[in-house]
Amino acid sequence: NAGVTQTPKFRVLKTGQSMTLLCAQDMNHEYMYWYRQDPGMGLRLIHYSVGEGTTAKGEVPDGYNVSRLKKQNFLLGLESAAPSQTSVYFCASTDRSAGATYEQYFGPGTRLTVT
Amino acid sequence: AQTVTQSQPEMSVQEAETVTLSCTYDTSENNYYLFWYKQPPSRQMILVIRQEAYKQQNATENRFSVNFQKAAKSFSLKISDSQLGDTAMYFCAFMKSYDYKLSFGAGTTVTVRA
Repeated sequence: NAGVTQTPKFRVLKTGQSMTLLCAQDMNHEYMYWYRQDPGMGLRLIHYSVGEGTTAKGEVPDGYNVSRLKKQNFLLGLESAAPSQTSVYFCASTDRSAGATYEQYFGPGTRLTVT
Repeated sequence: AQTVTQSQPEMSVQEAETVTLSCTYDTSENNYYLFWYKQPPSRQMILVIRQEAYKQQNATENRFSVNFQKAAKSFSLKISDSQLGDTAMYFCAFMKSYDYKLSFGAGTTVTVRA
C-alpha cells in the first residue's frame, strides 16, 4: 500500500515551458486535491476533484489545469510556466465514505523551480 | 477560503518540556472540523490530531492535546514531554462539515533543543 505518490519529486523549468505533475493514490479515495506551499503562506488549494471525471477550482487556480480521467490519478498541468509558480506542490486524497475521518493523506511533494 | 491564523512563526522548546501553539479561525459555521498537521524536514505532511466542533471534549493523542474553545474560535495544540523528533513545522487547518476542503494557517516552526 503506497498511499499517495507524486511524480516527479523535483523539476526545473524555464519560463514558458509546460509540464504535468502526476498524483496517484491506491486507497480508492473519491476526493483528490492539489495544493501549493509557499514560505509564510501555508498550503493553498489549487484545484480539487470529488470523483472520476470531475474537477473544480480552489483558492489559487490561475495558470493551472487538472484532469481526473481515472479515479486513482489526478494530474496537474502548467501550460506556460511562470517564475511565480515556483513552489512545492502537494497532492492529497481523502475518503468520503460513511465513517470517514475527513483526514487528508498527502503525497511527498514536488519541488518546482521556474527560472 | 476560511481564515486560519497562527500568530507564532517560530517557537523553541527544551527537550522534555511543554510547548503550546496557538491557532484562531474565522467562521460563521456551526459544524466543522479542525486539524493539526506536522511537516518535518522530510516535507511529508502528517496528521497529528483532529477535533470535531460538535464535541466539547478536547482531543488527545499520546503527548499531543488540544484546547478547543468554540466561542473564542481558538484551537491550540499542546506538545508535552517534547522530543527531538517533534522538530517540525505545524499547521492548523479548518474544514467545514461536508465541504472536504482544508484551509491552512501559515504554520509555526517548532525546534526542540537537546
